[in-house]
Amino acid sequence: AQKITQTQPGMFVQEKEAVTLDCTYDTSDPSYGLFWYKQPSSGEMIFLIYQGSYDQQNATEGRYSLNFQKARKSANLVISASQLGDSAMYFCAMIKNTGFQKLVFGTGTRLLVSP
Amino acid sequence: SAVISQKPSRDICQRGTSLTIQCQVDSQVTMMFWYRQQPGQSLTLIATANQGSEATYESGFVIDKFPISRPNLTFSTLTVSNMSPEDSSIYLCSVARGQTGELFFGEGSRLTVL
Repeated sequence: AQKITQTQPGMFVQEKEAVTLDCTYDTSDPSYGLFWYKQPSSGEMIFLIYQGSYDQQNATEGRYSLNFQKARKSANLVISASQLGDSAMYFCAMIKNTGFQKLVFGTGTRLLVSP
Repeated sequence: SAVISQKPSRDICQRGTSLTIQCQVDSQVTMMFWYRQQPGQSLTLIATANQGSEATYESGFVIDKFPISRPNLTFSTLTVSNMSPEDSSIYLCSVARGQTGELFFGEGSRLTVL
């Protein structure tokens, strides 16, 4: 079975600094995808970034990058130049690319960005 | 990206009543997913809504409690039946798009049961 672990209940960072949110996963499937979502206090889920298990390069989307360490089964999210609007819950999620596609979420990390 | 509209965005309900949440997508999709997020918790998949067939429920969720309709490829409803305070949650509709299976979410429906 797939499992996502986010060990940081909360993280604090000052504006304009970089922050890394940790995510480790467990799966026996060779083909899978990893996602990060942002959930502001409004409750909506916002897709940030995607990494496929066979992708050779780490995914990047603007200020977001995914530090993919396949051997260690980690997929940490790096936010560069943090902004006040980055304060939110961040969820790591995984999907397997074969069979029935079900997205499994971690427990989330609450990020607080201070001025 | 997909445009997904959910109604209601929030509601306060009395114990024992039922509420139906609607999800409208701007284009046809094969599968629609319903998630629940209890206060301070992560997202848990309730069921997958398939057009033309019964929904597929995850362990711990049953059709009598969470009946789902999927009358066409752009619309689905989730009903929370005989509500209790434990049903107070955000309920989110989502669809998969693209080759990566990326999930897009509606704005969520925040239910409070008194």
